[in-house]
Amino acid sequence: NAGVMQNPRHLVRRRGQEARLRCSPMKGHSHVYWYRQLPEEGLKFMVYLQKENIIDESGMPKERFSAEFPKEGPSILRIQQVVRGDSAAYFCASSLDTALGYTFGSGTRLTVV
Amino acid sequence: DQQVKQNSPSLSVQEGRISILNCDYTNSMFDYFLWYKKYPAEGPTFLISISSIKDKNEDGRFTVFLNKSAKHLSLHIVPSQPGDSAVYFCAASSTGSQGNLIFGKGTKLSVKP
Repeated sequence: NAGVMQNPRHLVRRRGQEARLRCSPMKGHSHVYWYRQLPEEGLKFMVYLQKENIIDESGMPKERFSAEFPKEGPSILRIQQVVRGDSAAYFCASSLDTALGYTFGSGTRLTVV
Repeated sequence: DQQVKQNSPSLSVQEGRISILNCDYTNSMFDYFLWYKKYPAEGPTFLISISSIKDKNEDGRFTVFLNKSAKHLSLHIVPSQPGDSAVYFCAASSTGSQGNLIFGKGTKLSVKP
């Protein structure tokens, strides 16, 4: 009964490269949320997805960032042409139903050099 | 514009005493509040929550108090244990927000033996 699995745990990218962050929700969970935590900050909502649908992407930057949750496989957060300001911890969470009491993964720490 | 504020970045408490972590919010539409605990290099773990129809919720050593008129909530931990040392995040949501949680910046609690 694995929890929310995120990989990689650490990712280093040079400026201009692409970063792909993966999230496998808990078994049976069809709701996935991505959050970003900048240093010394709280978690900031980015996007909420259900299988094959983006429900709310109001927290996601309009450019360079995209997310998907295909019918099969993990949810992917993709950052194109990374910049130093993208360096942060990215957390994924999943739930059976919307909102309440969802479970977070251990995060992916992205460092852009 | 921070909608959820945790004004104390850190708190130090002696083992066995009470820890009180505070959180203020500005959005009167928030109707559900959660506390998460986070250890370094791990994802946040759900601790306790409270609905706006209540003013208190208790779970073992953890109690959350909600003062709606003051837009203030607090988490009490008693007795505090060294294993409680972590960063505590307050989060809020509103009906219809589809699970989008607004987090405070966190308070780092240190419980000294």
